[in-house]
Amino acid sequence: GAVVSQHPSRVICKSGTSVKIECRSLDFQATTMFWYRQFPKQSLMLMATSNEGSKATYEQGVEKDKFLINHASLTLSTLTVTSAHPEDSSFYICSASTTGDYGYTFGSGTRLTVV
Amino acid sequence: KQEVTQIPAALSVPEGENLVLNCSFTDSAIYNLQWFRQDPGKGLTSLLLIQSSQREQTSGRLNASLDKSSGRSTLYIAASQPGDSATYLCAVRRDDMRFGAGTRLTVKP
Repeated sequence: GAVVSQHPSRVICKSGTSVKIECRSLDFQATTMFWYRQFPKQSLMLMATSNEGSKATYEQGVEKDKFLINHASLTLSTLTVTSAHPEDSSFYICSASTTGDYGYTFGSGTRLTVV
Repeated sequence: KQEVTQIPAALSVPEGENLVLNCSFTDSAIYNLQWFRQDPGKGLTSLLLIQSSQREQTSGRLNASLDKSSGRSTLYIAASQPGDSATYLCAVRRDDMRFGAGTRLTVKP
């Protein structure tokens, strides 16, 4: 079945640094990639939607200059958390879909801790 | 904006019990609904996907139903086991995918 590989699974970084998270669709072309954030004991909240070759669409309240999303190819999307702060510590997870009425395939998530 | 609600927020049952998890959504114009399982600190595992034209899907001890017109879905788990302990999330898809807050299930041996 469809697989989305997400790396890294865990990352600890210092406050003020930037962190890049990658999601790759291994056996299908991901025309659309979604990025979610999950705080402890809360549900997944959609941050942004990206279509290959286009600028990402951000949800209200999500800073586009802080969370940079690149979807340059049909198999790779990246989320860069710039100038990370402790409040950015969270579980970030991507999901990919292709054209058609299919369910989404999720990556395994990235636990970001900013110290 | 689509709102997805899951009830109950937490559930604790003895092993062997049958149980029902509920999910409701406000906008019935969906493409599909998906149930996921999430273990602590882990990603999502897809359990069942119900297309908007379908009424239910079954996989092993799991059965999910969808009543799109009333904005409701249920996940039925038969003969629960301790290994079923996890958070169960429902998500509805239209242009994007929106999640409920989840039901945290504990099955006691």
